[in-house]
Amino acid sequence: GAVVSQHPSRVICKSGTSVKIECRSLDFQATTMFWYRQFPKQSLMLMATSNEGSKATYEQGVEKDKFLINHASLTLSTLTVTSAHPEDSSFYICSARGGHGEQFFGPGTRLTVL
Amino acid sequence: GENVEQHPSTLSVQEGDSAVIKCTYSDSASNYFPWYKQELGKRPQLIIDIRSNVGEKKDQRIAVTLNKTAKHFSLHITETQPEDSAVYFCAARLSNYQLIWGAGTKLIIKP
Repeated sequence: GAVVSQHPSRVICKSGTSVKIECRSLDFQATTMFWYRQFPKQSLMLMATSNEGSKATYEQGVEKDKFLINHASLTLSTLTVTSAHPEDSSFYICSARGGHGEQFFGPGTRLTVL
Repeated sequence: GENVEQHPSTLSVQEGDSAVIKCTYSDSASNYFPWYKQELGKRPQLIIDIRSNVGEKKDQRIAVTLNKTAKHFSLHITETQPEDSAVYFCAARLSNYQLIWGAGTKLIIKP
């Protein structure tokens, strides 16, 4: 089946620093990738839809200047959390859309901001 | 906006018994309904899905039913086992391929 990788799996950073998370589709091309955030004991919350070669579409309440998304190729999308603060600590998961519309999820990135 | 409601939030069943989780959706144009199983700290895993042109789909101990008129769909797990313990999410896909997620059901299998 389709494989999506995500890096890093875990990151701890100081408040005010920026963190970049990579999402790669390893064996297929994904024109669309989705970025989610999941807080403990909650459902996945869609942050933005990333389309290759164009600007990402952000969900209401998600600051585009704080969560920078770049989808420069058909196999890579990146999410950069700028000036991270403790409230940004969460589990960030990406997914890549397959040819039949299904979503394949990355393993997630656990971000802890001190 | 569009939403998906999922019930119950927690379900505790005796090992070997059946478990049923129910979802309702609001967007009548949704035509694809996946179910995911998520273990703590891991990615959601697709366990079964159903498209709007089908009323029921079964895969071994897992089945999903869809009532498009009522905008309901349900997950049925029979002969539950300890490894079925996890959080289960239903979702409905919009026409732009976004998934609208239910709030999740924590399934506990009692030995």
